[in-house]
Amino acid sequence: DARVTQTPRHKVTEMGQEVTMRCQPILGHNTVFWYRQTMMQGLELLAYFRNRAPLDDSGMPKDRFSAEMPDATLATLKIQPSEPRDSAVYFCASGLVPQGHTQYFGPGTRLTVL
Amino acid sequence: AQSVTQLGSHVSVSEGALVLLRCNYSSSVPPYLFWYVQYPNQGLQLLLKYTSAATLVKGINGFEAEFKKSETSFHLTKPSAHMSDAAEYFCAADNAGGTSYGKLTFGQGTILTVHP
Repeated sequence: DARVTQTPRHKVTEMGQEVTMRCQPILGHNTVFWYRQTMMQGLELLAYFRNRAPLDDSGMPKDRFSAEMPDATLATLKIQPSEPRDSAVYFCASGLVPQGHTQYFGPGTRLTVL
Repeated sequence: AQSVTQLGSHVSVSEGALVLLRCNYSSSVPPYLFWYVQYPNQGLQLLLKYTSAATLVKGINGFEAEFKKSETSFHLTKPSAHMSDAAEYFCAADNAGGTSYGKLTFGQGTILTVHP
């Protein structure tokens, strides 16, 4: 049963610290998405990649957020420095385009910045 | 740009009653459409999807949705609610084409509460 995995599942950190979240997409998927979910804003698309190349990162605060895909099995989302307003659940999703249109979501990383 | 509107941020039904969650999309070109479900402290899980085949789409857990081009709607229904259906439901659309192919636009979500 292929799944998207995310680590860590929970992260508590202090303001100003660097946070790195990792995602392993489903093997063979060529598109990876990063989302942020909060009560106030709902589900927001931060960035996405096709064949490891960034296609759109317009949803990310550029000064503190960065997203990369070092290889096809790993996507990372970094926040440096972190701020309390970054507290949210961060989801990674992967999909296979154009063969399919479904995004498969990971369980999320719940980030709390104190 | 594509937009997806879910009417009603909260819907409450009794166990055994009909579930109807509403979704409208804005594109003049029929997109691919999805319903996802999110249980507490979990990621989103695909319920069903419409990709221009049959207009009535059946999904998991007894849910189905009907694509109506004339109404630009893709409402989700289930004949008889179960307590385990309590969750948040998201409608999403993919315009299929260009560099945004594969990128979904999500609605704001509808929280379904099921009363005994």
